[in-house]
Amino acid sequence: DVKVTQSSRYLVKRTGEKVFLECVQDMDHENMFWYRQDPGLGLRLIYFSYDVKMKEKGDIPEGYSVSREKKERFSLILESASTNQTSMYLCASSPRPRGGETQYFGPGTRLLVL
Amino acid sequence: GEDVEQSLFLSVREGDSSVINCTYTDSSSTYLYWYKQEPGAGLQLLTYIFSNMDMKQDQRLTVLLNKKDKHLSLRIADTQTGDSAIYFCAERSDYKLSFGAGTTVTVRA
Repeated sequence: DVKVTQSSRYLVKRTGEKVFLECVQDMDHENMFWYRQDPGLGLRLIYFSYDVKMKEKGDIPEGYSVSREKKERFSLILESASTNQTSMYLCASSPRPRGGETQYFGPGTRLLVL
Repeated sequence: GEDVEQSLFLSVREGDSSVINCTYTDSSSTYLYWYKQEPGAGLQLLTYIFSNMDMKQDQRLTVLLNKKDKHLSLRIADTQTGDSAIYFCAERSDYKLSFGAGTTVTVRA
């Protein structure tokens, strides 16, 4: 079974703090993704990576950066957390597209910025 | 860009069928997916359909695809309380997915 783990289920941070969200997958997948989920908006892609040290901006990259130093790990960084970044953050991974292969999701990190 | 739309809420009586509808805009989508999210959990893949198919059935789940109208639906037969969740449809273009806002399904006794 594919396993995607995220470092924290719940996180409370203060405005201006630097925040690291970690994601690890154990299936040797090439692609990894960070989304944020907000009620009524569904999932919005922040960044994705299709290989080690490679990254591409998604639909809402502002205020975020990412790091992929190893294939199994993809980190999301909030350089200076703001209250509008309070959200549920979901990490996903997928192999290179072949057939119906899709993305496998972690359990999510619920971040509250005060 | 891609745009996927679905209604936000559905209430259904236990034992009845649920039908969740979705429309998408990207005609180059190769696969379309349905995901389920239970409270406090990540997304779990339920089923998917290749874009050249009209229908796919998997136990209690039936997916219908109308490619001409870019309309996707998920039917859950004999809906149970454990089916209460948020259901997301998603379209795939290359290796990126575009998600709808999610339909919250509430099953009442």
